[in-house]
Amino acid sequence: EVQLLQSGGGLVQPGGSLRLSCAASGFIFSSYPMAWVRQAPGKGLEWVSAVSAGGDRTYYADSVKGRFTISRDNSKNTLSLQMNSLRVDDTAVYFCAKLVVGMYFFDYWGQGTLVTVSS
Amino acid sequence: EIVMTQYPATLSVSPGERATLSCRASQSVSTNLAWYQQKLGQAPRLLIHGASTRAIGIPGRFSGSGSGTEFTLTISSLQPEDFAVYYCQQYNVWPPTYTFGQGTKLEIK
Repeated sequence: EVQLLQSGGGLVQPGGSLRLSCAASGFIFSSYPMAWVRQAPGKGLEWVSAVSAGGDRTYYADSVKGRFTISRDNSKNTLSLQMNSLRVDDTAVYFCAKLVVGMYFFDYWGQGTLVTVSS
Repeated sequence: EIVMTQYPATLSVSPGERATLSCRASQSVSTNLAWYQQKLGQAPRLLIHGASTRAIGIPGRFSGSGSGTEFTLTISSLQPEDFAVYYCQQYNVWPPTYTFGQGTKLEIK
C-alpha cells in the first residue's frame, strides 16, 4: 500500500523559513517523480514544485521560484520542501504527491500539513 | 499559461441521478487531463487520467471524456459518498507544469 506521511508545518512569521518532509513507503521511491501541491484555506489546488525520480531535475511554479527548494533523499525514501522568505499568501495546506512515470499526474497524495504565515 | 475553467461552480443533484461536470482549457491540452475528487478535510483522490482512463479502484459509474479544450466528468448514478469537490488538472509535458481548475462542488439536492 502506498503511503505518504507528512511532517513539518506550523506557524511562522513573514520572512521566515520552514521545512516540510514526506516519508514514502509501499513503492520504489527512487523510481518515481514527486511533487508538492498546496491549497489555501477555502481555495482550490495549486501545484508548487516537482522533482524527477533521481532528484537531478527540479521544477517550480512562478509563485515560489527562488524561495522554495524541493529535494529528495532516495536512500531514506524522503521528499522535502525548504520554504524561505515566506509570505502571508503562502499560507495553505501543503500536500506531497507521487507522480506517475512521465510526470503527467498525481496518483497518490499525502495527508497534508498546514503552514500558516502570520505575524 | 494554460487556464482551466470548471463549470458550474456548484452542482445540485439528487442521489441516484446523473451528474455532468465540465472543464475547459484556454488552449488545447490534447488528452493530458486528470480529474480528482476531494472530500472536506481530505487529500484529493485521482479519478481519471488521460481524459478518459479510470484510475485503479475507481468505480465504473465515473467516466471521463473529451479532448483538446473541452472535457466532461460524468457520474452515472450518484451515491451518497460522491458528494464532494471535483477538480480537473492539465499537465504540460515540457517543462512539467500543472494547472488545476477552480473546482466544482457537487452537493445533494
